[in-house]
Amino acid sequence: SLLTQPPSVSGTPGQRVTISCSGSSPNFGTNSVNWYQHLPGTAPKLLIYTNSQRPSGVPDRFSGSKSGTSASLAISGLQSEDEADYYCSAWDDNFNGVLFGGGTKLTVL
Amino acid sequence: QMQVVQSGAEVKKPGASVKVSCKASANTFTNYYVHWVRQAPGQGLEWMGIINPSGEFTTYAQKFQDRVTMTRDTSTNTVYMELSSLTSEDTATYYCARDGRNWSNWFDAWGQGTLVIVSS
Repeated sequence: SLLTQPPSVSGTPGQRVTISCSGSSPNFGTNSVNWYQHLPGTAPKLLIYTNSQRPSGVPDRFSGSKSGTSASLAISGLQSEDEADYYCSAWDDNFNGVLFGGGTKLTVL
Repeated sequence: QMQVVQSGAEVKKPGASVKVSCKASANTFTNYYVHWVRQAPGQGLEWMGIINPSGEFTTYAQKFQDRVTMTRDTSTNTVYMELSSLTSEDTATYYCARDGRNWSNWFDAWGQGTLVIVSS
């Protein structure tokens, strides 16, 4: 079972970028996807849970969606402080645990 | 405010064990499942396992099944993760993370991380 993310994406300030997360396991289609932002030397931060829910305090520039075996994180109005690593995750029944994608490094040009 | 504080960095020799603690402020961990996640240098996040609110039930990733033990002391809001038979591949930052809701598998409060270095 794998969650596949692009290794890197980039954008300019103010732009909208998306990060994809595709699952190889059939049960990915039925399990919820979550997204985390991770800055070096800090703890990961929950951005999106249950596919599209935003915790309090997370700006609405961040949005999540899921369709079938593919999920996406969209960041609009890109800011320099958004430069970080982003991870998707989901429970996997075959693995009997939480899988993380390989992570996507966002560079703000 | 949720506050989760982990124990300090450790240096261990191959074959040794390490026990990392994760203490939460009042009510942060009560009635919540807690997960452990690690990140090796230059690598992504890796889930290790979960412990239930009472500490009576655990589920571990198969990779760590034979080497990891997760426990908790509900009286002090502290969760522990012990990893044995360490090798250099266990050099990583270890995080505890609170499950958002009844084993929902999203993590809404994280410790600051504990660096474990395994070196002879």
